[in-house]
Amino acid sequence: DADVTQTPRNRITKTGKRIMLECSQTKGHDRMYWYRQDPGLGLRLIYYSFDVKDINKGEISDGYSVSRQAQAKFSLSLESAIPNQTALYFCATSDSMGRWEVSDTQYFGPGTRLTVL
Amino acid sequence: AQKITQTQPGMFVQEKEAVTLDCTYDTSDPSYGLFWYKQPSSGEMIFLIYQGSYDQQNATEGRYSLNFQKARKSANLVISASQLGDSAMYFCAMREGGRGSTLGRLYFGRGTQLTVWP
Repeated sequence: DADVTQTPRNRITKTGKRIMLECSQTKGHDRMYWYRQDPGLGLRLIYYSFDVKDINKGEISDGYSVSRQAQAKFSLSLESAIPNQTALYFCATSDSMGRWEVSDTQYFGPGTRLTVL
Repeated sequence: AQKITQTQPGMFVQEKEAVTLDCTYDTSDPSYGLFWYKQPSSGEMIFLIYQGSYDQQNATEGRYSLNFQKARKSANLVISASQLGDSAMYFCAMREGGRGSTLGRLYFGRGTQLTVWP
């Protein structure tokens, strides 16, 4: 089984709808991240969480919210979806091992392809 | 300013040949880490290799090696003996280690699409 799972894998929704993307991990990592990928732009950070009580905005958090329900679960919500939120969304995890290291590798889920009509 | 620059939108290489994918970075932090990820057409992001700013030797992982030139701020990925399965998008990323540096976040380049032909 995959260590980082994302549901749904694909979703088509309409403008104005609320949608939630879910991420679960079995790696036991404390840090979790949400990114979006747009063609030609690489990945950009939406939100990140270093533990259940610590959630931080990334570079493009407007229009998004998150919830860290447990160490293993990190959900991303679009309160009122708009077409320019059409993108590939990735959840990622890393293990701080109780300290800060530049070498912490982030492991990515398979991605959720979201289309907002 | 872009933290990570990948100047090659697309690269082509014949099977069994070596290929270099370019990456330059911009940081004033003395402590940083550089990563390469592979994204096949199926979409997942696969970690390939890591290089730390204080590492004395270039990182290697199987057929992947990182040509790290600190003074030039470049971290090129070298794939030796290319295989058809290497066809994918490749992303260079960096994490800075200084205080207040949005701890943990990776800055990604825009990627290079590598095509390996028989």
